[in-house]
Amino acid sequence: KQEVTQIPAALSVPEGENLVLNCSFTDSAIYNLQWFRQDPGKGLTSLLLIQSSQREQTSGRLNASLDKSSGRSTLYIAASQPGDSATYLCATSGGYQKVTFGTGTKLQVIP
Amino acid sequence: GAVVSQHPSRVICKSGTSVKIECRSLDFQATTMFWYRQFPKKSLMLMATSNEGSKATYEQGVEKDKFLINHASLTLSTLTVTSAHPEDSSFYICSAPRDGNTIYFGEGSWLTVV
Repeated sequence: KQEVTQIPAALSVPEGENLVLNCSFTDSAIYNLQWFRQDPGKGLTSLLLIQSSQREQTSGRLNASLDKSSGRSTLYIAASQPGDSATYLCATSGGYQKVTFGTGTKLQVIP
Repeated sequence: GAVVSQHPSRVICKSGTSVKIECRSLDFQATTMFWYRQFPKKSLMLMATSNEGSKATYEQGVEKDKFLINHASLTLSTLTVTSAHPEDSSFYICSAPRDGNTIYFGEGSWLTVV
């Protein structure tokens, strides 16, 4: 059974700092890995999707990497802004199209 | 734009009543959809697999008589929370696969039972 873990559970950084969020998964037989953002009381916003054959994806100030063999993914946020404050979830897509979500990292960017 | 639409995004209902949440695939057909629920400090957990034209498959520990799932068409799955209780208050989200293993999620629904 896939288990997805995110460390740290919470992170507080000053504005402008670059930061890395970590995601690890136990079963490397995944089709893809996705990073989401969830604002308090809101739904999920998909940020980046990495297919299993890819090593990284970039969108603006966000860069996500995937190392299937080690069961790790990172989300790099450059020049953080207060508007980046949210909970970030990673999720793996495996067999039978089921998705396993990580426990999330709650990010606070302090102005 | 969104390819999976979920409605309502937010709903408040009284204890003992039932509430229905809809999940629609907007420009593709989905024979299978999935329903997830968010638990505090446990992220999102799969509740059930919704199968078009047949019964849903529920994950262990999910009460099928309480969380009724109907996948009546290739573009619509509904989750009905019956006899709602305050502990059913949560964030519910659906997903649908398109083009194989590309999974699209709805916007999610926040349910508050008072």
